[in-house]
Amino acid sequence: GQNIDQPTEMTATEGAIVQINCTYQTSGFNGLFWYQQHAGEAPTFLSYNVLDGLEEKGRFSSFLSRSKGYSYLLLKELQMKDSASYLCAVRDRPDDYKLSFGAGTTVTVRA
Amino acid sequence: GAVVSQHPSWVICKSGTSVKIECRSLDFQATTMFWYRQFPKQSLMLMATSNEGSKATYEQGVEKDKFLINHASLTLSTLTVTSAHPEDSSFYICSAGDRSQNTIYFGEGSWLTVV
Repeated sequence: GQNIDQPTEMTATEGAIVQINCTYQTSGFNGLFWYQQHAGEAPTFLSYNVLDGLEEKGRFSSFLSRSKGYSYLLLKELQMKDSASYLCAVRDRPDDYKLSFGAGTTVTVRA
Repeated sequence: GAVVSQHPSWVICKSGTSVKIECRSLDFQATTMFWYRQFPKQSLMLMATSNEGSKATYEQGVEKDKFLINHASLTLSTLTVTSAHPEDSSFYICSAGDRSQNTIYFGEGSWLTVV
């Protein structure tokens, strides 16, 4: 089966940095996605890691270590609009676009 | 703009009736699309894989006779909730993979309320 773990909630101050960790144990691995989801809306794509290392995209960065089954999403210079749920998802086969999701981490940014 | 579009965004129906939700890939063709369901404050749970030109593949515990999936073209998949009950009220989201971008996109989602 698929087992994807991430913290349930995190709180941070506007302008600060928050790191959301995700660990996974899956039957296969062909990439890890991070999505942002605001309440009542569909997820929006943030990042995709398939090789080890850090991918930086503006204020958001994502890191992957395949040997450790570990990823994190780093949010810098937090803004109020970053308050949302962040979903870690694993794709287990290269020819398949099916994703297994973690439960999601709700990030609350406070002024 | 959206590359995967869902319709309707909101739908209210009476118990016992059927509701159809459409999912379209706008800029690419998708031989497979995926249907997820999300209850409040929970993560997305995969319901089924929609396969173009063949039967859908359902996840364990999902009733295929209740959730009918049709994928008649490379850009359109439909999910029909048959004989809907209040416990079917949920947020339904589809996704599709764009091979050229190696990215998975989600539709806007459809809120279903059964009264």
